[in-house]
Amino acid sequence: SQQGEEDPQALSIQEGENATMNCSYKTSINNLQWYRQNSGRGLVHLILIRSNEREKHSGRLRVTLDTSKKSSSLLITASRAADTASYFCATGALRAQKLVFGQGTRLTINP
Amino acid sequence: DSGVTQTPKHLITATGQRVTLRCSPRSGDLSVYWYQQSLDQGLQFLIQYYNGEERAKGNILERFSAQQFPDLHSELNLSSLELGDSALYFCASSVVQGALAGVTGELFFGEGSRLTVL
Repeated sequence: SQQGEEDPQALSIQEGENATMNCSYKTSINNLQWYRQNSGRGLVHLILIRSNEREKHSGRLRVTLDTSKKSSSLLITASRAADTASYFCATGALRAQKLVFGQGTRLTINP
Repeated sequence: DSGVTQTPKHLITATGQRVTLRCSPRSGDLSVYWYQQSLDQGLQFLIQYYNGEERAKGNILERFSAQQFPDLHSELNLSSLELGDSALYFCASSVVQGALAGVTGELFFGEGSRLTVL
């Protein structure tokens, strides 16, 4: 089974609005990462947050991590049509050599 | 451009056949990961190699095998293909973080090989 589960599965908002996606996971992690995938393309790394960090920013992206609740959120501010893509969280479990991906959130930004 | 190259981009074949997917990691990356992405299963981890050695195995079928060569490129072999093997197969590479074992950092993905089994 997948380690991470994103919520919602799909999100449609107007350009300029903020988009928030959530991720929950099950086991202890070393880090949590967010990736973006344009339709049928390769995944692109967005941001990595370590287990001892609570919040991280990168441009219009803000990621939070709550290890007590085993959850993370990705906030995209001032969304643009070009942000339309699928967003995946991925967890690196302790002493694991792999990243486990969730099912993703399909984000649609309407112009 | 991630620096990870996958070939072929598209592949159409028949059931029962065998195919080989190839991946060249980013220059300097020692780890190679293979993932399968299908509509109903999401992104599934298959296998990981580090500097030529298998390091982690996921839900990889016995009909599938992989290896990483001395020049660090990797190949994923899929045999006795079934309709359900139709999917996007991604290769990703990374540099293992420092001397810490079992820590996975940022992955750089190729554009994938789309396999269609008819």
